[in-house]
Amino acid sequence: EIVLTQSPATLSLSPGERATLSCRASQSVSSYLAWYQQKPGQAPRLLIYDASNRATGIPARFSGSGSGTDFTLTISSLEPEDFAVYYCQQRSNFGQGTRLEIK
Amino acid sequence: EVQLVESGGGLVQPGGSLRLSCAASGFTFSSYWMSWVRQAPGKGLEWVANIKQDGSEKYYVDSVKGRFTISRDNAKNSLYLQMNSLRAEDTAVYYCARDLDSSGYYSGYFDYWGQGTLVTVSS
Repeated sequence: EIVLTQSPATLSLSPGERATLSCRASQSVSSYLAWYQQKPGQAPRLLIYDASNRATGIPARFSGSGSGTDFTLTISSLEPEDFAVYYCQQRSNFGQGTRLEIK
Repeated sequence: EVQLVESGGGLVQPGGSLRLSCAASGFTFSSYWMSWVRQAPGKGLEWVANIKQDGSEKYYVDSVKGRFTISRDNAKNSLYLQMNSLRAEDTAVYYCARDLDSSGYYSGYFDYWGQGTLVTVSS
């Protein structure tokens, strides 16, 4: 089983700042990795798939990078609506999430 | 507009059964792999099961094997999850989710999700 470890657990930033979220896989997953955003009381939303492809309708401030075991989700300039929990995922495996909170 | 609407959740005693449904609309349901993903209260996401377009392949997380059964009815554009021998640790919001790829290949990415239905297993 592949284990996905996200860091940090919580990230405190201000609107307009740059956010960098990490996801590390216990073994290589090539580029087969996705990122989701989840707000309280809502279903997750697909942001990035295949490590770097933005899903339909996702703003350009969201970008993904990485391959193998190390992946990054970057939000270039935080908007108020971006504060949420973010999960990485590879097939049947999800990371434990990173909570992005307003500083 | 793609819509996935789950129903069937509720309170059930340990050892009991429940059947969840997911009504799909706005897309060609029979062209997509479908999955169930759950989220325990205050916890992260856990993939539960998936099913191929024609129902010929089904896969489960180890913790539900032998207790849960995923199925679909393409004529009714519906996905189901039969849950038997329920345990307290099955308490969660259950989401149905559509696979990103419509070509027959399972991408493992979920581009549309329902709003979820809460299952509570408690005496």
